Amino acid sequence: DGGITQSPKYLFRKEGQNVTLSCEQNLNHDAMYWYRQDPGQGLRLIYYSQIVNDFQKGDIAEGYSVSREKKESFPLTVTSAQKNPTAFYLCASSPEWSYNEQFFGPGTRLTVL
Amino acid sequence: KQEVTQIPAALSVPEGENLVLNCSFTDSAIYNLQWFRQDPGKGLTSLLLIQSSQREQTSGRLNASLDKSSGRSTLYIAASQPGDSATYLCAVFIIQGAQKLVFGQGTRLTINP
Repeated sequence: DGGITQSPKYLFRKEGQNVTLSCEQNLNHDAMYWYRQDPGQGLRLIYYSQIVNDFQKGDIAEGYSVSREKKESFPLTVTSAQKNPTAFYLCASSPEWSYNEQFFGPGTRLTVL
Repeated sequence: KQEVTQIPAALSVPEGENLVLNCSFTDSAIYNLQWFRQDPGKGLTSLLLIQSSQREQTSGRLNASLDKSSGRSTLYIAASQPGDSATYLCAVFIIQGAQKLVFGQGTRLTINP
């Protein structure tokens, strides 16, 4: 089955900790994205990557970091600098930048204790 | 700045009715428009993608239209079923400045048996 997997489904973080959210796709897509979803707000773009070894900041990149060392993987690290990290995090991919139908993973819910 | 609005925020209708969900956007310079479905606590499922040069797309009981000049899209659902209950999101892909999807806040749809 082709698709996008995210792990873990639920994640709890203590104040001051860094945590890493996993996103893997086996769709052979070039582009990958990270979004944050908060109640009552639309999805907001954190980071995106058009191709391996390249990534760009989105609208709310402060306090987050990413890497894109492999085509199928785009992990997101939520650092202690992110002041309000409790949210639902969604990873997406699209076949290529010029054809931008995006497909989403199941999400990770992060809660700061 | 591109803004996407979906009205109403919530809609409840009896099973079997045909219904229309609305999406408006402020800047007609879009690359494409995508409709998604989101079930509670889940990721997004892509329903339909309309390229900027297209007027409509159909998939089963769903039909989406796009009028770029007026900044509007509609999602028509025929013969609604309880399983259609979900939040429906529209998003436009913009290519001026940061290339990204801009999301509306969604319409929460409830189909009553």
